[in-house]
Amino acid sequence: AQSVTQLDSHVSVSEGTPVLLRCNYSSSYSPSLFWYVQHPNKGLQLLLKYTSAATLVKGINGFEAEFKKSETSFHLTKPSAHMSDAAEYFCVVSNQGGKLIFGQGTELSVKP
Amino acid sequence: KAGVTQTPRYLIKTRGQQVTLSCSPISGHRSVSWYQQTPGQGLQFLFEYFSETQRNKGNFPGRFSGRQFSNSRSEMNVSTLELGDSALYLCASSLSIGGGQETQYFGPGTRLLVL
Repeated sequence: AQSVTQLDSHVSVSEGTPVLLRCNYSSSYSPSLFWYVQHPNKGLQLLLKYTSAATLVKGINGFEAEFKKSETSFHLTKPSAHMSDAAEYFCVVSNQGGKLIFGQGTELSVKP
Repeated sequence: KAGVTQTPRYLIKTRGQQVTLSCSPISGHRSVSWYQQTPGQGLQFLFEYFSETQRNKGNFPGRFSGRQFSNSRSEMNVSTLELGDSALYLCASSLSIGGGQETQYFGPGTRLLVL
């Protein structure tokens, strides 16, 4: 069975400093992994996805994530936070049937 | 292309009533999935439809049902509403069922409040 654990429920950074949102996954086969972002009262927007091509995946708005099989991790990073990055972020693994399994979410706060 | 649309955006019902939510996928997308989002349980998969057939189902009671039409539009129905059904219901569409590699695009959701 697949599962995903987001290691921090809340992360707070200052504007202009790096962002690191941590995610570990469990999968019995080579997984597809995604990061989605949800702004208040909005739906989910895809940031990036990994599907067994390059292990470093670049997404929208300057975000990227690195797939590390040995550590079963898929952490999301951004070099410099912007106020508009404040939102909830979900790490997601997809099973072979296409069902998405979501982490519990990490709320990112960005201080001026 | 227009994104995934969901109607209505907000809904208030009372216990025991039933509700129907609608989802129109991105043009050309044939797979539609439904998710429930609550503060306590997070995001949970309800079901997925492809070519008018339910392909996957999550762990929800039979009060939750859905269907898909020939134009790929989907509806989900919840009968005999309970307070715990209050949630944001999200619909997502993808081109097809791709063994887990298909990207799902989400709509803005329908927020249901059960009183």
